[in-house]
Amino acid sequence: QQPVQSPQAVILREGEDAVINCSSSKALYSVHWYRQKHGEAPVFLMILLKGGEQKGHEKISASFNEKKQQSSLYLTASQLSYSGTYFCGTEWVNYGGSQGNLIFGKGTKLSVKP
Amino acid sequence: ETGVTQSPTHLIKTRGQQVTLRCSSQSGHNTVSWYQQALGQGPQFIFQYYREEENGRGNFPPRFSGLQFPNYSSELNVNALELDDSALYLCASSTRLAGAETQYFGPGTRLLVL
Repeated sequence: QQPVQSPQAVILREGEDAVINCSSSKALYSVHWYRQKHGEAPVFLMILLKGGEQKGHEKISASFNEKKQQSSLYLTASQLSYSGTYFCGTEWVNYGGSQGNLIFGKGTKLSVKP
Repeated sequence: ETGVTQSPTHLIKTRGQQVTLRCSSQSGHNTVSWYQQALGQGPQFIFQYYREEENGRGNFPPRFSGLQFPNYSSELNVNALELDDSALYLCASSTRLAGAETQYFGPGTRLLVL
């Protein structure tokens, strides 16, 4: 029941926008977004809880659609530093709470060119 | 910089050997999760420790075992190493407040099994 991320890869020019989607077949408790650069550990971006609102800071934001069990990450006016692989990690609903560990998608590779 | 440290950074072992990986969690965090990340894949959940007890396990065989110590640092032990165990091993520390918990990853240990 690994979440499905789309697209698998995207190439942007600096200043362009991108949307990365994360879909689950199970009811979600929370969605966590991370960015990982080559050879480094994943870096936390943001967390969205069921019943929560869209979150974001500066030019990176995300939404959580409980009805569709889907989250989307929005990157606007992309910068070279946005390059990397983006992962969503999902927590499922379990007896009214969450299962307490993250199940990650396969990632979306984002390349921002000058 | 997350405050989560891991050792060693790199390790080369041969098939059949045993390995111990270490993780020091961020100050104030009482939960440690371990993940295996193969090349080009998302992190795969191995297990989680909360206050020295195993608190969930992914689809990994019993030769993957762990410990958490009173100071919340943790070890991952892998016996009878196989070639497919070659991967980046990540630990993430967290603490559950109201709602879901944010997991902060350490830099990882890259294990190569020959």
